[in-house]
Amino acid sequence: DVKVTQSSRYLVKRTGEKVFLECVQDMDHENMFWYRQDPGLGLRLIYFSYDVKMKEKGDIPEGYSVSREKKERFSLILESASTNQTSMYLCASAHSGGNHFGQGTRLTVV
Amino acid sequence: GENVEQHPSTLSVQEGDSAVIKCTYSDSASNYFPWYKQELGKRPQLIIDIRSNVGEKKDQRIAVTLNKTAKHFSLHITETQPEDSAVYFCAASINAEGNEKLTFGTGTRLTIIP
Repeated sequence: DVKVTQSSRYLVKRTGEKVFLECVQDMDHENMFWYRQDPGLGLRLIYFSYDVKMKEKGDIPEGYSVSREKKERFSLILESASTNQTSMYLCASAHSGGNHFGQGTRLTVV
Repeated sequence: GENVEQHPSTLSVQEGDSAVIKCTYSDSASNYFPWYKQELGKRPQLIIDIRSNVGEKKDQRIAVTLNKTAKHFSLHITETQPEDSAVYFCAASINAEGNEKLTFGTGTRLTIIP
């Protein structure tokens, strides 16, 4: 069974802080994704990676960056957190048959 | 890029009745169409998917239909039960393997009334 683990379930950060969200998968998947989920907007793709050290912008990359130094780990970075980045963040990995999601990190920026 | 629209945004059905959720997509190159179920406080879970070479797929009480010409696909749940209450998301992807990025609909909150 695929396991995707996000480092925190809940985070509260201050405006302007640099924030790191970590995601680890244990299935040797090459493809990993970061989405954010907001009510009424569904899941929107922020960044994705199809290989180590590779990254591609998704639909809403502004204000975010990512890092993929190892195959199993994909990090999302908020360079300077803002209140409009308060959201649920979902990491996923995929090999075939759809994205497998982590449990999500609910981030609140105050 | 791809755009996926999903309707309705909320749906209430009597237990035992059927529920239908519909999605349309814009990119005719899309080949993979999964459906996810997200229970309150939990992660989205894949419940069924369909690829473009198939018109219909069934798994017990759940079925998905695809009309490539019209660019729409639907989720059908029969004999609904209280545990079917959740938010359902459709999605689309160009890659038929299903291992690449997905474009999601905005979700349908399904409530089963006992």
